[in-house]
Amino acid sequence: DIQMTQSPSSLSASVGDRVTITCRASQSISDYLNWYQQKPGKAPKLLIYATSRLQSGVPSRFSGSGSGTDFTLTISSLQPEDFATYCCQQNINTPYTFGQGTTLEIK
Amino acid sequence: QVQLQESGPGLVKPSETLSLTCSVSGGSISDYYLSWIRQPPGKGLEWIGYIYYSGSTSYNPSLTSRVTISVDTSKKQFSLKLSSVTAADTAVYYCARQLSGHYYFDYWGQGTPVTVSS
Repeated sequence: DIQMTQSPSSLSASVGDRVTITCRASQSISDYLNWYQQKPGKAPKLLIYATSRLQSGVPSRFSGSGSGTDFTLTISSLQPEDFATYCCQQNINTPYTFGQGTTLEIK
Repeated sequence: QVQLQESGPGLVKPSETLSLTCSVSGGSISDYYLSWIRQPPGKGLEWIGYIYYSGSTSYNPSLTSRVTISVDTSKKQFSLKLSSVTAADTAVYYCARQLSGHYYFDYWGQGTPVTVSS
């Protein structure tokens, strides 16, 4: 199985801050990397697919980059509604695997 | 607008079989891969397996001996059966759509919590 490791596991930030979350795959996954946002009691929501492609309706302050084994999710200017848990996921091989999540909290 | 809705018992006894259904509305299910994904309390997401609308399946090796995913195309329903459950199977269970040729889950059900307890 491909292991996905995120860092940090939690992060405190303020509205307006720029934040970056990192995801590392245990082997190369090309650009088959997706990012999801999950709020308490809700299903995950697709933010970015194929490393850097913004899902329809997702604000442009979200961006993704990387390739191979190292990937990042960046939020350019945090908004109150962005405080949530973010997780990465690889779709190149089954079993599809997810990172353990990064919880973004209000400072 | 595509909608996925999970349904099934919220409480299952140990050693019994967990059975859930995912009903799809708002479009055809042709060209669909439908995955089941679960999230134990306070933990991350685990992919259980998928079924293509034609019936071909792929399961997580960690669960393959206990999992069966099936589809009823006439009803636009997908089913998950997980046998011999234990407390470790307690989780919120989601169904999620992946279109053929698209390598991401773009639509998710709202999730249904399942507790394994006697």
